[in-house]
Amino acid sequence: DAGVTQSPTHLIKTRGQQVTLRCSPKSGHDTVSWYQQALGQGPQFIFQYYEEEERQRGNFPDRFSGHQFPNYSSELNVNALLLGDSALYLCASSRRGYSYEQYFGPGTRLTVT
Amino acid sequence: GIQVEQSPPDLILQEGANSTLRCNFSDSVNNLQWFHQNPWGQLINLFYIPSGTKQNGRLSATTVATERYSLLYISSSQTTDSGVYFCAVGSPRLMIIQGAQKLVFGQGTRLTINP
Repeated sequence: DAGVTQSPTHLIKTRGQQVTLRCSPKSGHDTVSWYQQALGQGPQFIFQYYEEEERQRGNFPDRFSGHQFPNYSSELNVNALLLGDSALYLCASSRRGYSYEQYFGPGTRLTVT
Repeated sequence: GIQVEQSPPDLILQEGANSTLRCNFSDSVNNLQWFHQNPWGQLINLFYIPSGTKQNGRLSATTVATERYSLLYISSSQTTDSGVYFCAVGSPRLMIIQGAQKLVFGQGTRLTINP
């Protein structure tokens, strides 16, 4: 039973660039959530996708956008990168209508220079 | 929004000791999860426990939803238990549609087990 997978593992970008992170949910799951974890902090909710639509959004600017595909996988896009976007980006999946429990992937560590 | 507070922020113990980590939350919840974050950053699911008590080997957890707290117990600590432990909650007030729920995390407890 495959767990949540994310790619890439690490990424280094320059200020002003754009980045795309990818996530495949756990087998049988249909809902994907994205979180940002700054160093020394707990993860912060960015947004959640279900049925290919953004369902909830945290307190993040429009530079953060996402997409969910028919196979339930998801992408997180960040435009006009700032130094403060450097963080660990975590993807979580769950199965709507079955359980609220969320399972997390290994994360993508983004460094903006 | 809902607030989540974990205590203590740091805990240093000798191998073999027992420990208790606490999570307080400010509103009613229908989801509470405990995670262990490994050195590479992955969040490992320990317990899904919106209420009641569960045990898994040397770990156990209790959530008293009416009093808005949860406890994670680690017995006979091992060096591999070291890391950051997070409590995260989901509340009915955070749901826009049924099943779509965000988790709100505490700041974590950093546990160090010395040999």
